[in-house]
Amino acid sequence: DQQVKQNSPSLSVQEGRISILNCDYTNSMFDYFLWYKKYPAEGPTFLISISSIKDKNEDGRFTVFLNKSAKHLSLHIVPSQPGDSAVYFCAASRVTGNQFYFGTGTSLTVIP
Amino acid sequence: NAGVTQTPKFRILKIGQSMTLQCTQDMNHNYMYWYRQDPGMGLKLIYYSVGAGITDKGEVPNGYNVSRSTTEDFPLRLELAAPSQTSVYFCANRDRGAAEAFFGQGTRLTVV
Repeated sequence: DQQVKQNSPSLSVQEGRISILNCDYTNSMFDYFLWYKKYPAEGPTFLISISSIKDKNEDGRFTVFLNKSAKHLSLHIVPSQPGDSAVYFCAASRVTGNQFYFGTGTSLTVIP
Repeated sequence: NAGVTQTPKFRILKIGQSMTLQCTQDMNHNYMYWYRQDPGMGLKLIYYSVGAGITDKGEVPNGYNVSRSTTEDFPLRLELAAPSQTSVYFCANRDRGAAEAFFGQGTRLTVV
């Protein structure tokens, strides 16, 4: 049972434009949502997170939006840069839990 | 400050062989995790540990064993390698109370 879903396996965006990556979840008990970025042959690196008590968190070019009623979150990258080309994983966890649940990833390509 | 270090980076095993994937951290984080990532899939949790001497099963523990005798080390053991265990394995850690986890660079294992 996939509790965190990323329904778009890939996304291509022109440099300078906005990239929007989407994620859906099924468990309303999740407390934290995270985005990880992964380059080939490297481990995932933490990008940005959001608590379930918030609906937006911003860090430089990266903003995560959370819509709890729709059980949906999205990552916005503005402006997109070629170095942003990577696989992005959405993850969720509970404060009282010990594990993360990951989506299947979205491969972002930013075209120069 | 190396963070989370995994060895080896690559390994080819024959069916039925055994091996240990090593993971060590210098961050003094309580939580440690082993994930596997298959092509086109998200990260699946194999085992995790909330502290030295404590381990627990994740989503896909069959065919694996772990131990956590120290805070720093969390080795993953494959006793009888099978082709289904061909995957990329990631070790991660997390500080108690923190949202994000930190990952090693991964071990690419092929069982033939």
